[in-house]
Amino acid sequence: EVQLVESGGGLVQPGGSLRLSCAASGFTFSSYWMSWVRQAPGKGLEWVANIKQDGSEKYYVDSVKGRFTISRDNAKNSLYLQMNSLRVEDTAVYYCARERRQQRGNWFDPWGQGTLVTVSS
Amino acid sequence: QSVLTQPPSVSGAPGQRVTISCTGSSSNIGAGYDVHWYQQLPGTAPKLLIYGNTNRPSGVPDRFSGSKSGTSASLAISGLQAEDEADYYCQSYDSSLSGSVFGGGTKLTVL
Repeated sequence: EVQLVESGGGLVQPGGSLRLSCAASGFTFSSYWMSWVRQAPGKGLEWVANIKQDGSEKYYVDSVKGRFTISRDNAKNSLYLQMNSLRVEDTAVYYCARERRQQRGNWFDPWGQGTLVTVSS
Repeated sequence: QSVLTQPPSVSGAPGQRVTISCTGSSSNIGAGYDVHWYQQLPGTAPKLLIYGNTNRPSGVPDRFSGSKSGTSASLAISGLQAEDEADYYCQSYDSSLSGSVFGGGTKLTVL
């Protein structure tokens, strides 16, 4: 069974840092692009970042560029999101998702259960 | 606001058919990028419902169907059931943003 399990969320003060992890199982992790998608409380979905199979390409939504870093360890079947200089508006449930890609774009399947990040003083 | 535009809410009685629209622009849907749909039941993670405009993953009932034309796409749900009550999101790729974009989500209420 394909499974993604996030961890690392919690309460952090504005300006602080947090590192999220996503443990993958049930598929060949090193063969897929991976993404982080977040959802603020009561709000919609927002793609945050993604990373190529070998880590050679990484892309970010403008609002997190320079503050967040996506990475992966294929030997450990794990995806990470290092979040620095956190802001109140970064408060959200963060989902890890496997990307499926074709010539005309990409989609997300499956998703993890999510981990809640709360930025507050 | 979201790059892709969806109605905030739709509703229908059991057995009826509803549609949810998703409107983009020339840098995403209009550029030829595919549209994908997700269902998010209350308190759970999103689940893929439709990929590549019209394709259903295994296990998704054929009551769910997708279409795309020009800069817009639609999700249709026929034979509405109580368990269809959820939030629905469309998603595509945007070339000007170099990343994936979502609609704001549509809350489906089964009356």
